[in-house]
Amino acid sequence: AQKITQTQPGMFVQEKEAVTLDCTYDTSDPSYGLFWYKQPSSGEMIFLIYQGSYDQQNATEGRYSLNFQKARKSANLVISASQLGDSAMYFCAIAGGTSYGKLTFGQGTILTVHP
Amino acid sequence: DGGITQSPKYLFRKEGQNVTLSCEQNLNHDAMYWYRQDPGQGLRLIYYSQIVNDFQKGDIAEGYSVSREKKESFPLTVTSAQKNPTAFYLCASSIGGHLQFFGPGTRLTVL
Repeated sequence: AQKITQTQPGMFVQEKEAVTLDCTYDTSDPSYGLFWYKQPSSGEMIFLIYQGSYDQQNATEGRYSLNFQKARKSANLVISASQLGDSAMYFCAIAGGTSYGKLTFGQGTILTVHP
Repeated sequence: DGGITQSPKYLFRKEGQNVTLSCEQNLNHDAMYWYRQDPGQGLRLIYYSQIVNDFQKGDIAEGYSVSREKKESFPLTVTSAQKNPTAFYLCASSIGGHLQFFGPGTRLTVL
């Protein structure tokens, strides 16, 4: 079984500043993948970034980077230079190597970017 | 344009009725998934299908049914047995790994 915990129900950040969204996970699979999705108010889920459990380096995608600490079982999302359009719900998710296609999501964090 | 389409965008159902939500993809993905999202919550897996004519229950399959007769299509039926069906339903697909791409969703409301 897998579990994702996002302990920040809401976060606020000033435009152009960086923000870190927390995610801790639990899994019994030796191989797994961690994902971050963004959900604007319109409802669609937008894939942001992926980290494999055996990846040697932290994943980066443009302004998004993942602070992956395997021993601590954490996969925090860092958004640099926040923009007003970053205001949305953010979900962390995990898929274990033995759970083909079964993503387990956290409760999400609502990010609000202030001008 | 390749993508995932869901219809309708909004759906209203009377108690005791079955309704079917449509999900179509032209990405040539093998696997398709249905999730349910309640207000302020994360997504929970209802059903998934790795290949045509095969599907498996997810974490909250009770009161739902699916079919996978074509690779492109994975309709979800919300039956009258589902006690609290009002929610946002998201369909997703993937090409065999874990990375899933999502459709725009259907908001179902029971009147």
